[in-house]
Amino acid sequence: GDSVTQMEGPVTLSEEACLTINCTYTATGYPSLFWYVQYPGEGLQLLLKATKADDKGSNKGFEATYRKETTSFHLEKGSVQVSDSAVYFCALSDPGNTGNQFYFGTGTSLTVIP
Amino acid sequence: GAGVSQSPSNKVTEKGKDVELRCDPISGHTALYWYRQSLGQGLEFLIYFQGNSAPDKSGLPSDRFSAERTGGSVSTLTIQRTQQEDSAVYLCASSFSANQPQHFGDGTRLSIL
Repeated sequence: GDSVTQMEGPVTLSEEACLTINCTYTATGYPSLFWYVQYPGEGLQLLLKATKADDKGSNKGFEATYRKETTSFHLEKGSVQVSDSAVYFCALSDPGNTGNQFYFGTGTSLTVIP
Repeated sequence: GAGVSQSPSNKVTEKGKDVELRCDPISGHTALYWYRQSLGQGLEFLIYFQGNSAPDKSGLPSDRFSAERTGGSVSTLTIQRTQQEDSAVYLCASSFSANQPQHFGDGTRLSIL
């Protein structure tokens, strides 16, 4: 069945360091892919999305490219800030195959230190 | 605000009691999801409502769990005869339609003593 596997954390980086959080997926259909972010004490928010192969989602300096050949959707940022400290979730939706369900990864905790 | 609202934000109850969690979705959103987030785990899908269609209950972990959505808007998740393993954060999300990005509430943190 469909699933999402993302890099385990926690990840600790210094401010202005480069970030990559790996996410790979398994799907039999043509899924849409998402990254959600959960800041401390808040609910999940959509960070970015991509709906087809080779699409690049971007928001707040974060980017992720939908790579069908490697079934990946890695999250990247060139220079992280303290305010980026949060838990990041990779997710997929594959309505043509699995209907209504969204599949979420287990989350990767990021802490950015000054 | 116009976001997804969940209540209560925190609930502590004794094992064996029933609890009811409430979700007010964004106005106009036809799709509504319930998830459970346990410590160190990802989001576990529980149930999905779409308009007037029969809900997708495939994620409910046992028959102690049930949910309803009245008038296509507010939803309640009920857990009967709570167990300690039910302790988790219960998240509600809504979207304009299926497969669209979901908007999440802040969750209800449920603690079973």
